[in-house]
Amino acid sequence: EVQLVETGGGLIQPGGSLRLSCAASGFTVSSFYMGWVRQAPGKGLEWVSLIYSGGSTYYADSVKGRFTISRDNSENTLYLEMNSLRAEDTAVYYCARVPLVLDAFDIWGQGTMVTVSS
Amino acid sequence: DIQMTQSPSSLSASVGDRVTITCRASQMINKYLNWYQQKSGKAPKLLIYAASSLQSGVPSRFSGSGSGTEFSLTISDLQPEDSATYYCQRSSSSLYTFGQGTKLEIK
Repeated sequence: EVQLVETGGGLIQPGGSLRLSCAASGFTVSSFYMGWVRQAPGKGLEWVSLIYSGGSTYYADSVKGRFTISRDNSENTLYLEMNSLRAEDTAVYYCARVPLVLDAFDIWGQGTMVTVSS
Repeated sequence: DIQMTQSPSSLSASVGDRVTITCRASQMINKYLNWYQQKSGKAPKLLIYAASSLQSGVPSRFSGSGSGTEFSLTISDLQPEDSATYYCQRSSSSLYTFGQGTKLEIK
């Protein structure tokens, strides 16, 4: 079964760091574009970051310079390293897959909640 | 940066109705436009990709059209389970920006 499972969310103080993980099963993450999308409580979807199968990375302006997307091919896992966290980063973070033929997020994880608060 | 603007922000319709949601891009994005449905507390679900292609498993009452800067999602023969928030999303130039969403209520 094709599946994505996010872990690593939690409560973190402003200025802190957190690493989210997204374990994939049923497919190989390095063969697809993979991305992160977040949703603040009661708000809409916000694209955060994307990594190409070739390794190129892209970020929304709101997280550029603070967040880093990466993957571990041996673990078949996608990561999002988040530094200098702010209250406005509080959200449910989803990882999702992008097949080249669709150029759209077709498989999503269940999401992991990140709360930035003192 | 290209902005995605959806209208309306919310709408209410009855079972069996046909509704259309519009998405406008601030610059030309060819047909790099996708539509998602999100139900409360759930992850989004892909409905339409490349402006008009129906994702596998999605009912045919969902359809998409448009290119350039103006796009639309049409839902025909509304069903109770179509109550959700709908988002457009661009996928051009490696920036996957979403619209602000349209909340659809079924009366």
